[in-house]
Amino acid sequence: GEDVEQSLFLSVREGDSSVINCTYTDSSSTYLYWYKQEPGAGLQLLTYIFSNMDMKQDQRLTVLLNKKDKHLSLRIADTQTGDSAIYFCADINFNKFYFGSGTKLNVKP
Amino acid sequence: SAVISQKPSRDICQRGTSLTIQCQVDSQVTMMFWYRQQPGQSLTLIATANQGSEATYESGFVIDKFPISRPNLTFSTLTVSNMSPEDSSIYLCSVEFGGRSTDTQYFGPGTRLTVL
Repeated sequence: GEDVEQSLFLSVREGDSSVINCTYTDSSSTYLYWYKQEPGAGLQLLTYIFSNMDMKQDQRLTVLLNKKDKHLSLRIADTQTGDSAIYFCADINFNKFYFGSGTKLNVKP
Repeated sequence: SAVISQKPSRDICQRGTSLTIQCQVDSQVTMMFWYRQQPGQSLTLIATANQGSEATYESGFVIDKFPISRPNLTFSTLTVSNMSPEDSSIYLCSVEFGGRSTDTQYFGPGTRLTVL
């Protein structure tokens, strides 16, 4: 099956940029996704990128995709304390979603 | 997107009992999914529930332990049977919405289950 990997923790100061990284193994992925999970809540879709794109920007969020290296990243500009959450990358293969382990982002005031 | 609700939001249950979790969507969807998220872990797909057919279970999950119903296009239930402490997890339903162009999944808020 597909392997999707993320680093477990990231700590930044409020106002800095955060970069959360993800690697995947399936080269035929059509879309790749970023989800956010706040404490005690379900998963909220943040953004997704089509595999033929290498960048997508949506307000404070920038997604970069390096398809050759199978590397996906999520950059959050001007990180706020409300951005503290667990961030999951996911890809889809034959209608099945594969999630990374999640990166816990801690934003210090 | 779709609005998805789950009931109950949390429960504490005794070993050996069963709990049925409900998932309601505000629009008709073809595919619904049930996931388990064990403490500190990522999501694991339990099964895919399509209306009018038997649920399709992933490796490691069986119908006797996790029976699923999908009576219509807006509702599904997952039962966790004969529970043990190892079943303590968050259970999430999700729906595929947006058509074939994105295959995006949207998640319910989850049901936090603790088994004593």
